[in-house]
Amino acid sequence: QKEVEQNSGPLSVPEGAIASLNCTYSDRGSQSFFWYRQYSGKSPELIMFIYSNGDKEDGRFTAQLNKASQYVSLLIRDSQPSDSATYLCAGTPNTNAGKSTFGDGTTLTVKP
Amino acid sequence: NAGVTQTPKFRILKIGQSMTLQCTQDMNHNYMYWYRQDPGMGLKLIYYSVGAGITDKGEVPNGYNVSRSTTEDFPLRLELAAPSQTSVYFCASTSGMRGGNYGYTFGSGTRLTVV
Repeated sequence: QKEVEQNSGPLSVPEGAIASLNCTYSDRGSQSFFWYRQYSGKSPELIMFIYSNGDKEDGRFTAQLNKASQYVSLLIRDSQPSDSATYLCAGTPNTNAGKSTFGDGTTLTVKP
Repeated sequence: NAGVTQTPKFRILKIGQSMTLQCTQDMNHNYMYWYRQDPGMGLKLIYYSVGAGITDKGEVPNGYNVSRSTTEDFPLRLELAAPSQTSVYFCASTSGMRGGNYGYTFGSGTRLTVV
């Protein structure tokens, strides 16, 4: 079992819809979780991080963490074509030199 | 405000050649990392450093080496290049403040092909 698993995708949603990206993790020592967006041929860029159970909102993005279920998600509201990218989920134990373990990513396409 | 700078952006190596991928950050971050990303896959950790003079192996260190003589620089050395090292290499950093990771800043990547 991979330490961090994401929906293999690809995921396609119409413009203006809510895109839901999901991630599960196996290491209960993971404390902090990150969502990165990666456009084709570019480097990942940080969108959100979350370390407490519950929801964290930033503009159109909401990260959700459920440590009991070992589940992390990212919701993108009012999806735009510019949101089309690969989204990487990463988990990090707080006491492990900040090393993040990444999932393989979910590719999102937002259709106009 | 450069962030994390990687050079070169592209490189083609012949089997058995060696090279150094350069990485420099100007954010005074303590923690630095090298990852590789194969097509359609996530990132795998090669080496990491928590400060000048301190380095350690990640998940896939074979065929690579690193050094960290200053806070700013974290070069990755490939010895005896093999086709399996064809990949995109990313350098990343985070502050490491209070021992934490508050999200990585990535360099633009080096696309390496070994033929």
